[in-house]
Amino acid sequence: DVKVTQSSRYLVKRTGEKVFLECVQDMDHENMFWYRQDPGLGLRLIYFSYDVKMKEKGDIPEGYSVSREKKERFSLILESASTNQTSMYLCASSSRNTEAFFGQGTRLTVV
Amino acid sequence: AQRVTQPEKLLSVFKGAPVELKCNYSYSGSPELFWYVQYSRQRLQLLLRHISRESIKGFTADLNKGETSFHLKKPFAQEEDSAMYYCALSGWAGNQFYFGTGTSLTVIP
Repeated sequence: DVKVTQSSRYLVKRTGEKVFLECVQDMDHENMFWYRQDPGLGLRLIYFSYDVKMKEKGDIPEGYSVSREKKERFSLILESASTNQTSMYLCASSSRNTEAFFGQGTRLTVV
Repeated sequence: AQRVTQPEKLLSVFKGAPVELKCNYSYSGSPELFWYVQYSRQRLQLLLRHISRESIKGFTADLNKGETSFHLKKPFAQEEDSAMYYCALSGWAGNQFYFGTGTSLTVIP
């Protein structure tokens, strides 16, 4: 059974904190993605990575950074969390000719 | 850039009625098209992809390159079809996935 696992289901952080969201996949996929999911806005791509140490900006990268030091792990970093980053964050992975497989999501609340 | 458009945020149909969820896309080249579904409290999962041409849970979708559409259809809606549906496209290398804004389908008993 394929697996994309996000480290936390729920997180509550304070404004200004540095926040790390972790994602691990066990399918040896080259591609990994971070999205945020907001009602009425769908899934918006924040960053993606097609190889270790490679990253590309998506549609809404401002306020975020990512790290991919190992093939199986893709981290999303909020350098200084703000209330408008309260959202559901989804990680996904894929390989050429496969669909994207999703994690269970992390609901982040910034207070 | 808007790559995937789902014009309906909400859609309600009665059980047994036909359902169609609309999706239009814009992309240079030949994208691959997908429909994903998210049931309440579950993770996003693939419903179908256009290259497989399979019918999953009674749903079908035909890629119309002329109209750049990939509408999802089911002839007889069931209550368990109530969910959030997302249309998505990826580039040829599978390293970019873009999603629409989603359509929340409610099937009324």
